[in-house]
Amino acid sequence: AQTVTQSQPEMSVQEAETVTLSCTYDTSENNYYLFWYKQPPSRQMILVIRQEAYKQQNATENRFSVNFQKAAKSFSLKISDSQLGDTAMYFCAFMKHGGGNTPLVFGKGTRLSVIA
Amino acid sequence: GAVVSQHPSWVICKSGTSVKIECRSLDFQATTMFWYRQFPKQSLMLMATSNEGSKATYEQGVEKDKFLINHASLTLSTLTVTSAHPEDSSFYICSARVFGTSYTGELFFGEGSRLTVL
Repeated sequence: AQTVTQSQPEMSVQEAETVTLSCTYDTSENNYYLFWYKQPPSRQMILVIRQEAYKQQNATENRFSVNFQKAAKSFSLKISDSQLGDTAMYFCAFMKHGGGNTPLVFGKGTRLSVIA
Repeated sequence: GAVVSQHPSWVICKSGTSVKIECRSLDFQATTMFWYRQFPKQSLMLMATSNEGSKATYEQGVEKDKFLINHASLTLSTLTVTSAHPEDSSFYICSARVFGTSYTGELFFGEGSRLTVL
């Protein structure tokens, strides 16, 4: 079974600064997807960024980028120019390549606070 | 983007009663929906995978007779908590994958339903 580990329960960052959230995972699969989801106080889960394991290039979405190290099974999220609206729980998630019935496995989350 | 709507967003019920939570995909067809449970300040735990027109697949440790899941159409899945007890109080979240895009893996989530059992 796959497991996802987020070792930082809580983090804080000053507004406009950069912060990196860590995520490691354990799998024997070679083809899979990795995700970062954001859950603000509203509790609505929002996709932040997605990475396909067969792609070596790190995914980037505006201020959000990842550092994907497949051999190390590491998938960290970097948030640049942090904004107050980035305050939320961030969940790292794993999905093995298997079609529509395959669920996401989530880490325990990191609570990020952006301080003005 | 794809929109998933859950109803109700918050429900309070008495112990012993049953509560139904609806999950609808508003602008796409969802052959598969997933139900997650989230305890306060904790992660999302998969409860079951719901497939349209067939029985749901439950995760180990989830009581299928307590958490009844029905996926009768391509846009609607329901979770019924039967004979609810205070320990069933939690935040329930449904999610769906757009049919035909399994290669992207992305799940779209409903707003969640907070259940409080008195």
